[in-house]
Amino acid sequence: KNQVEQSPQSLIILEGKNCTLQCNYTVSPFSNLRWYKQDTGRGPVSLTIMTFSENTKSNGRYTATLDADTKQSSLHITASQLSDSASYICVLFLYGQNFVFGPGTRLSVLP
Amino acid sequence: KAGVTQTPRYLIKTRGQQVTLSCSPISGHRSVSWYQQTPGQGLQFLFEYFSETQRNKGNFPGRFSGRQFSNSRSEMNVSTLELGDSALYLCASSLIGQQETQYFGPGTRLLVL
Repeated sequence: KNQVEQSPQSLIILEGKNCTLQCNYTVSPFSNLRWYKQDTGRGPVSLTIMTFSENTKSNGRYTATLDADTKQSSLHITASQLSDSASYICVLFLYGQNFVFGPGTRLSVLP
Repeated sequence: KAGVTQTPRYLIKTRGQQVTLSCSPISGHRSVSWYQQTPGQGLQFLFEYFSETQRNKGNFPGRFSGRQFSNSRSEMNVSTLELGDSALYLCASSLIGQQETQYFGPGTRLLVL
């Protein structure tokens, strides 16, 4: 079983709609949990970084939440735009300086 | 401020050859990390350099190596290339370490034939 799982694997929504991406993890504790956005053919861009003790972090229309009890994180995108079409990757940065990467969710926003 | 730059952007090599990839971090950033991304394995961490020293290493064979220069620029070398080394190689920089926000370059896409 992967240490970080993301759902759904892919998602199609209409422009202007909201959506929520999920990240479930088994490793604990960790130093921080990150959400990255990666456009096709480009490097990832950091959206949010949350420490183990934080519950929520926002970056514009992106809001990440963290529930340490259920070992879940979610990324909520509000009022989606065409430019939100990308892969979204959940990453855990562990104590001991190691990373655990999720497989990503592929989001497509249609006009 | 200029972002992270990587050269070359695309590369085609044959099995058995070696390759060197280059990364220039954001000015002032001293930590440079390298990652491999493939459709099958996703993102995987290779190593991190800080002040010309390898500070952290992922689980990759010794064919993968790197170095960092005094100006924080970094190079990654892969020797005896295998077909499975075909991937997008990403470099990321940060001020002092991986625990903070990292800024990624556009990557070098390597194809091994």
